Amino acid sequence: DTGVSQDPRHKITKRGQNVTFRCDPISEHNRLYWYRQTLGQGPEFLTYFQNEAQLEKSRLLSDRFSAERPKGSFSTLEIQRTEQGDSAMYLCALQGSTYEQYFGPGTRLTVT
Amino acid sequence: QKEVEQDPGPLSVPEGAIVSLNCTYSNSAFQYFMWYRQYSRKGPELLMYTYSSGNKEDGRFTAQVDKSSKYISLFIRDSQPSDSATYLCAMSGERDDKIIFGKGTRLHILP
Repeated sequence: DTGVSQDPRHKITKRGQNVTFRCDPISEHNRLYWYRQTLGQGPEFLTYFQNEAQLEKSRLLSDRFSAERPKGSFSTLEIQRTEQGDSAMYLCALQGSTYEQYFGPGTRLTVT
Repeated sequence: QKEVEQDPGPLSVPEGAIVSLNCTYSNSAFQYFMWYRQYSRKGPELLMYTYSSGNKEDGRFTAQVDKSSKYISLFIRDSQPSDSATYLCAMSGERDDKIIFGKGTRLHILP
């Protein structure tokens, strides 16, 4: 148990639809990260939060993507007007007490 | 040239063998080095986390970092079929920085 849950675990959507994913830490963590992993690749950094502040965004995060962490606890990642290239595993990670990152189970997005 | 290079495999070894997994990197600013294990359709699981050069051992797993050669390794002793997974090397410059991953090596332990 990594202390983080993600919902949904799998989402199938049609191209052009909007989708939202949620990351829920079990306990309080200051830093929360989002990564994206496509088939056969390692995870790639998207963005991270220090409490409720979004401090860095990757160039991968186009203007169709938005992330929030309204109260410094759970976080959401929204993709608007989904494209087939958005099909991937979206991973949330929390920073542990000695700065390591622990990943959640991920949300697998399939865009048809 | 990608920042982190990792042979994707697959690597197949018989049960009980010693497994050696490796990565090279180009950014000399990396100081924190990690190995994650990922089973199919699951999130990555942290195996080893090391700072700077040297060795770290945890049970059947040993991580080695050679910063002068920009080369990191993970050794698995007495490999088991349950070790069959994708192993991702990862690294970062600062301890709370984003992580840069390799592509992962698919490992199969044959019973």
